[in-house]
Amino acid sequence: DTAVSQTPKYLVTQMGNDKSIKCEQNLGHDTMYWYKQDSKKFLKIMFSYNNKELIINETVPNRFSPKSPDKAHLNLHINSLELGDSAVYFCASSQGPQGLGEKLFFGSGTQLSVL
Amino acid sequence: QKEVEQNSGPLSVPEGAIASLNCTYSDRGSQSFFWYRQYSGKSPELIMFIYSNGDKEDGRFTAQLNKASQYVSLLIRDSQPSDSATYLCAVNMNNQGGKLIFGQGTELSVKP
Repeated sequence: DTAVSQTPKYLVTQMGNDKSIKCEQNLGHDTMYWYKQDSKKFLKIMFSYNNKELIINETVPNRFSPKSPDKAHLNLHINSLELGDSAVYFCASSQGPQGLGEKLFFGSGTQLSVL
Repeated sequence: QKEVEQNSGPLSVPEGAIASLNCTYSDRGSQSFFWYRQYSGKSPELIMFIYSNGDKEDGRFTAQLNKASQYVSLLIRDSQPSDSATYLCAVNMNNQGGKLIFGQGTELSVKP
């Protein structure tokens, strides 16, 4: 039983395409996140949802649009992909919002390569 | 100053030695501190968290926090080759509404 699962694991696509990454957690957590990890291993938050409500929206191009149909799911849609979008994208969840000492549980990551 | 700063390494220690990983942070009001371990090609995994000044021990791992110096460290005793990974320090930044900010990670290599 995978606690935080995301698909696909690998995504190779051409510039200009639109793609989606899906994430589901079965931990009963209220808060879910998308993080981006660049080639230098720097892990940066992109979005956070608490009970389907957007609570953190970092300075991310509006080509990136998260969607949370329910508190167990958080998807990421990316329009008009660019070379600089190539990175590993991690979904994560926590019991409550950040700021309360919450521990994060990460999915296995999606390696996105834009050609 | 970076919000959360770590030496990127690589830090190389012989098997059985103590590995010492350091992290400094910019926001004096921060209250929660975490260490995540990330094996190559895998996702980060929480190994330690600390909220109070002083030491917190869990098996071979000890987290140390000094809020006055804005410094948190992770000691790994009796290092094993299986400890070879990147260790990410993370801090809930009080001045950013508690947002969790990660350092760039320290790569640890334990040589047999």
